Amino acid sequence: DVQLTQSPSTLSASVGDRVTITCRASQSITSRLAWYQQKPGKAPKLLIYKASNLESGVPSRFSGSGSGTEFTLTISSLQPDDFATYFCQQYDFDWSFGQGTKVEIK
Amino acid sequence: EVQLVESGGGLVQPGGSLRLSCAASGFKFGSYWMHWVRQAPGKGLVWVSRIETDNSGTLYADSVRGRFTTSRDNMKNTLFLQMDSLRAEDTAVYYCAKMNGYGYFDLWGHGSLVTVSS
Repeated sequence: DVQLTQSPSTLSASVGDRVTITCRASQSITSRLAWYQQKPGKAPKLLIYKASNLESGVPSRFSGSGSGTEFTLTISSLQPDDFATYFCQQYDFDWSFGQGTKVEIK
Repeated sequence: EVQLVESGGGLVQPGGSLRLSCAASGFKFGSYWMHWVRQAPGKGLVWVSRIETDNSGTLYADSVRGRFTTSRDNMKNTLFLQMDSLRAEDTAVYYCAKMNGYGYFDLWGHGSLVTVSS
């Protein structure tokens, strides 16, 4: 099984900050990684697929990078609507998710 | 409207059974692999099962294999999750999700809460 480890688990930030979340895979997953945003009581929402491709309709302040075993999600300028929990997901060897990173207001 | 709507959740005793449904609309349901993902209260997302376009190809997480069965009715655009021998650790919100041709999930339902407790 492919294990995904996200860091940090919680991140405190202010509006306008640049935020970076890391996702590390236990083995190479090439670029088959997606990022999702989830707000309390809501379903996850796809942000990024294939490590760096922005889903249609997602603001350009979100970006993804990486390949192999290390990936990052960056929010260039944090907006009030971005306070949420973010999950990475690999889809190279079946499917699995990271444990999540909660972005909270500082 | 393109959407997935789950139903069938509720409170069940340990050892009991429950069947979840996921109604799809707005897209060609029968052309896509579908998945179930669960999230225990305050926890992260955990992949549960996958079904291919027909009922011949299914895959399950180790934690539910032999107890859960996923199926689909393409004529009724509906996905199912039959959950038997339920345990307290199965308590979670269960989401159905549509997988596109590349392997990631581009559409999720709103979730259905299953609580296993005596």
